[in-house]
Amino acid sequence: EVQLVESGGGLVQPGGSLRISCAASGFTFSNYEMNWVRQAPGKGLEWVSYISSRGSTIYYADSVKGRFTISRDNAKNSLYLQVNSLRAEDTAVYYCARAFRVPNYAPRFDYWGQGTLVTVSS
Amino acid sequence: SYELTQPPSVSVSPGQTASITCSGDKLGDKYASWYQQKPGQSPVLVIYEDTKRPSGIPERLSGSNSGNTATLTISGTQAMDEADYYCQAWDSSTAFYVFGTGTKVTVL
Repeated sequence: EVQLVESGGGLVQPGGSLRISCAASGFTFSNYEMNWVRQAPGKGLEWVSYISSRGSTIYYADSVKGRFTISRDNAKNSLYLQVNSLRAEDTAVYYCARAFRVPNYAPRFDYWGQGTLVTVSS
Repeated sequence: SYELTQPPSVSVSPGQTASITCSGDKLGDKYASWYQQKPGQSPVLVIYEDTKRPSGIPERLSGSNSGNTATLTISGTQAMDEADYYCQAWDSSTAFYVFGTGTKVTVL
């Protein structure tokens, strides 16, 4: 059974930092592209960042570029998001999501974790 | 940047058909996916590659995509279909994923 379990969220002051993690199991983690998606309280879904299966290609949404860093450790079946210079508008549930891609078709998020809440407040 | 627009809400009576639209520039040239999210839960993929259903998704959910609009149709709507629904596309020019604004489906 595929499982994605996020951790590391919490309350942090504006300007602060956190590292959130996603532990994967039930599939060959190193074969899959991974993403972070967030959802502010009462709001919609927002894609945050992408990392290729080997970590060689990375993308960020404009809203987090320069402040967030995505990484992965395939030996530990883990995905990470280092979030720096946090702002109130970064308050959200952060989900890790597995991307499934087949040639000539667009990727989709076929599995999601339960999310971890990051609250930015003084 | 690429944007996808959905109606904020759709209401439907039990047993009737609900249609949720997702509009974006030349969306029909891309592939659309749809996600269902119930309160307090993570999103679940219900439609991918415009029309395909993952294993376990009921046949009453179907999708289409043409021109500038993708549509999720729920036929014979049941109370359990009450949820938020999000469309999603992949912008190949930027390699960014884009979500729609979301639609709350209420079963009256």
